[in-house]
Amino acid sequence: AQKITQTQPGMFVQEKEAVTLDCTYDTSDPSYGLFWYKQPSSGEMIFLIYQGSYDQQNATEGRYSLNFQKARKSANLVISASQLGDSAMYFCAMREEDPSYKLIFGSGTRLLVRP
Amino acid sequence: NAGVTQTPKFRILKIGQSMTLQCTQDMNHNYMYWYRQDPGMGLKLIYYSVGAGITDKGEVPNGYNVSRSTTEDFPLRLELAAPSQTSVYFCASSRLAGGPTDTQYFGPGTRLTVL
Repeated sequence: AQKITQTQPGMFVQEKEAVTLDCTYDTSDPSYGLFWYKQPSSGEMIFLIYQGSYDQQNATEGRYSLNFQKARKSANLVISASQLGDSAMYFCAMREEDPSYKLIFGSGTRLLVRP
Repeated sequence: NAGVTQTPKFRILKIGQSMTLQCTQDMNHNYMYWYRQDPGMGLKLIYYSVGAGITDKGEVPNGYNVSRSTTEDFPLRLELAAPSQTSVYFCASSRLAGGPTDTQYFGPGTRLTVL
């Protein structure tokens, strides 16, 4: 069964430094999508970045990049130059390529950026 | 565009009461989803729809019902509220399902407490 694992319940990072949030996944499907969402204290889910299983290059979106290591089944999120507004819960998710195309979420990592 | 809107934002129910959580999207998306997020956890799929008139169960459908009479609306019905349904409910939509641009966009959520 498909599964997403986020092993870091909470992390601290100093403002302006880079931080890596870990995500490993398990699937037997050759085609899948990997997503990262940010959930600030206000509660909404904000899409950050997407990586397809067939993409040759790591995805980047501004200060966010996804370190995709297919053989290791990992999809770590790297946030460069952390800002106070980056303090939030971060969820890794995988999309099944089945009739529902639902997202399977990990349990999340709470990031706190220190000034 | 408003994106995905949900009403109400907050609700307290007594055990056994019923209610409908409303979800509307104005992006002409085909796929719509209902997820629930329990405290400290990731999201789990309740029901989904691939178009008007077509719905199917997700991972945790018990105690809920849905309908989709229009492309825009996807209401979630709780018939006999139970304390186990205390959660935050998110509605999401996507244009199609399987491509890199077919990200799921989430509404702001409804925080439901059943006492």
